[in-house]
Amino acid sequence: EAGVAQSPRYKIIEKRQSVAFWCNPISGHATLYWYQQILGQGPKLLIQFQNNGVVDDSQLPKDRFSAERLKGVDSTLKIQPAKLEDSAVYLCASSPGLAAPSYEQYFGPGTRLTVT
Amino acid sequence: AQTVTQSQPEMSVQEAETVTLSCTYDTSESNYYLFWYKQPPSRQMILVIRQEAYKQQNATENRFSVNFQKAAKSFSLKISDSQLGDTAMYFCAFMKYNNNDMRFGAGTRLTVKP
Repeated sequence: EAGVAQSPRYKIIEKRQSVAFWCNPISGHATLYWYQQILGQGPKLLIQFQNNGVVDDSQLPKDRFSAERLKGVDSTLKIQPAKLEDSAVYLCASSPGLAAPSYEQYFGPGTRLTVT
Repeated sequence: AQTVTQSQPEMSVQEAETVTLSCTYDTSESNYYLFWYKQPPSRQMILVIRQEAYKQQNATENRFSVNFQKAAKSFSLKISDSQLGDTAMYFCAFMKYNNNDMRFGAGTRLTVKP
């Protein structure tokens, strides 16, 4: 079974530029998550999708971050404009569903973003 | 709000020995799940072990076991017979029942020395 795919793996941009990350979850997984992991910290949930609908985006800085999962499969996360404090690893994860026992989350390799 | 605290930023252990990583959490919920995730250097995060709060029996997965103390809100991970491949960041995580908003601790960097 193929795992969660993310691209690009690394990205360096200047502040005020925009950037987009892509995630392809495990086939058949209805739930998709985007996390931000700042160096030295644990991952923090940014947004959670169930199929193509948003379940929770309470921690997403909506003035600059946006995310979509139009067909309920792939997802993109965008930052516009980027700030220095956005430097982090952005992790995508997926799970079969929301309720037990489908809650186990499978993580992708992440995209390391550096904002200069 | 749920918080997860890992009080040991770094730990080291000799190969073949046993090490225990600590985790405490704060919640008013009675039903929830606890997890330990492993994040090797430059590799993706994988689940090590999970514990359902309603189960009194501590979870075990081969060399990995937990000591779950619900009243004390403590969830430590014991790694027996440590191997070089166990070198990684270990994250403790909490999730409310039927709510997939997972809260992570800051992590413990474990180094297994030959």
